[in-house]
Amino acid sequence: AQSVSQHNHHVILSEAASLELGCNYSYGGTVNLFWYVQYPGQHLQLLLKYFSGDPLVKGIKGFEAEFIKSKFSFNLRKPSVQWSDTAEYFCAVNDNNNDMRFGAGTRLTVKP
Amino acid sequence: DGGITQSPKYLFRKEGQNVTLSCEQNLNHDAMYWYRQDPGQGLRLIYYSQIVNDFQKGDIAEGYSVSREKKESFPLTVTSAQKNPTAFYLCASSMSRAVKTQYFGPGTRLLVL
Repeated sequence: AQSVSQHNHHVILSEAASLELGCNYSYGGTVNLFWYVQYPGQHLQLLLKYFSGDPLVKGIKGFEAEFIKSKFSFNLRKPSVQWSDTAEYFCAVNDNNNDMRFGAGTRLTVKP
Repeated sequence: DGGITQSPKYLFRKEGQNVTLSCEQNLNHDAMYWYRQDPGQGLRLIYYSQIVNDFQKGDIAEGYSVSREKKESFPLTVTSAQKNPTAFYLCASSMSRAVKTQYFGPGTRLLVL
């Protein structure tokens, strides 16, 4: 069965540190890839998505993600985090025939 | 304001009771979804609906039921058969099942008394 793995359950960083959150999936074939963010007390919001084209995708709030097909990965990055980036981050994957699968989520805490 | 609304924000269920969670969208989306979110497990699909009067089971449909009588509404009933209902429930919608980007509501937290 298709699955999505997020390697880190909880990441703690200081402001201005660089961020990389890992996401790997087990689908074969063509995939659609997403990162969602859930700020404390708020609903899940789309951060960025990849369907095709340039494998380096830029999203809102300075986030980007790179699709590496050979590694089945879609890691999320930000060069310099802010306290307001404290949130839970979910990677999600689907293909054209299946439901969207979510990773377990990574909780990011940014210390001021 | 376009979006997805869920009510109530918090819901308490007594043993043996059925409760219904509301989800409404004014995005004119055809497809709607219900997910359950548990700590450390991400989101798991309960039911989805591609169009009015149609719905399909997701991965964890047991103990839940849905209806889709109107395009904008997709209520979820948590029945007494669901033995572990305490969770955060998220409703989502997309333009269609083929359009893969989903948009989420604010969620309902269900607690068992």
